[in-house]
Parts: sequence; structure tokens; C-alpha cells
Amino acid sequence: DTGVSQDPRHKITKRGQNVTFRCDPISEHNRLYWYRQTLGQGPEFLTYFQNEAQLEKSRLLSDRFSAERPKGSFSTLEIQRTEQGDSAMYLCASSFLAGLRHGTDTQYFGPGTRLTVL
Amino acid sequence: KQEVTQIPAALSVPEGENLVLNCSFTDSAIYNLQWFRQDPGKGLTSLLLIQSSQREQTSGRLNASLDKSSGRSTLYIAASQPGDSATYLCAVAARQLTFGSGTQLTVLP
Repeated sequence: DTGVSQDPRHKITKRGQNVTFRCDPISEHNRLYWYRQTLGQGPEFLTYFQNEAQLEKSRLLSDRFSAERPKGSFSTLEIQRTEQGDSAMYLCASSFLAGLRHGTDTQYFGPGTRLTVL
Repeated sequence: KQEVTQIPAALSVPEGENLVLNCSFTDSAIYNLQWFRQDPGKGLTSLLLIQSSQREQTSGRLNASLDKSSGRSTLYIAASQPGDSATYLCAVAARQLTFGSGTQLTVLP
């Protein structure tokens, strides 16, 4: 399968614990995005990378959240000291875009990681 | 701040009907508008992408239109089938994608 993959697909954790999610993009894609989706809502942008550089972060991304893409391939999203309000589907998407033009790329989404914080 | 609204929030139709989903956005300074499909508990699948300079795009039974000046888009689904049941999301692209809340479509056999 050459699509975007995410691991784990489901995560249940207790409030206060740290969790880490992984995203493997389509291999030739240089852009990688993270979104959060709560029930009944559309996805909300969190952050994106072009290669290994994190170019933009939403104000939704509090200091408890950190994302990395160390070698410009896979990415991790870590949430520290989880809260019940962090319960959501975390979606990863990838694309290829030459240069730094915004918003013109077609993004391919992974299946998501569903986080439940008890 | 860009806001995207989708109406209706939910729609139930009998198989075979033609239907229209609506999307409106507040800031017309966009690069493109995309329609996605999301099955329960799954990721998003891109259906159609309309560049800001285009008026419509077609793929099979799907046709999407864009009126950038009025901030509106429609997704037309012809001859609906039970397999079309899903949530349909529109998203406008500027600095990043801004999504609507989706229309949950149920096509009854």
C-alpha cells in the first residue's frame, strides 16, 4: 500500500499521560500536515512541514503539543499531559508541492488516529 | 478569519435521486476549493478540486461548481446510490485548508 499510514489507529489513555502518534506519508511527498477532528466537525489545521522544516503552527497547537519530522520522511505528533479535551481524531496528510506556494497542493489523507482520554 | 459553512448538516434521500450539497465561505481570496468524502471512522478521500479560476469540475456522477465572488460552491450527485452514504466535506485553500463541518448523506435502498 503506497498511501498515507498512521499508527496507532486507536489510542486510549488516562488523563495526564503522554502519547505519541506516527505518520508515514506517501514516499515522494515533501509536505506533511497534521489536523485534529472532533465529532461532528471538519478537520482543523494544526501544523505542517515542508521536508524537515516545520513552517506553520496553528494557535490550536498548545505548548503541550509537539511535532517533528526529523529526516523529512515520517512525522511524530506528541501530546504531553493529555487532557479530556484532547480526545479527537488526529489526521495526517501529505502532498508534493514545489517551492513555498500555499494552498495549491492536493493533500492525501491517512486513516487517522482516534485518541480517547479518560 | 475564513469560515466555511455547509448546509444541510444531514440529508436522507431514496436511491436514485439527484441531490445538491451546499458550501459557503466568507473570504473569496482562495486558491482552490475541494470536496472530500469521509466514511465513518475513516480518513478523507478527495473527490474534486476546483481551482479559483475554474467554474466547475466533473468526475463521473459528481459535479462541483464554484462561484468565488459570492463565496459559494455546490456538489451535485446524480442518481444517488447507497454506496454514496458518507459525510461530504468542503474545504477552501488559502494559507491552509479550512473545512466545513460536513453534510452527512444517507441514501436509502
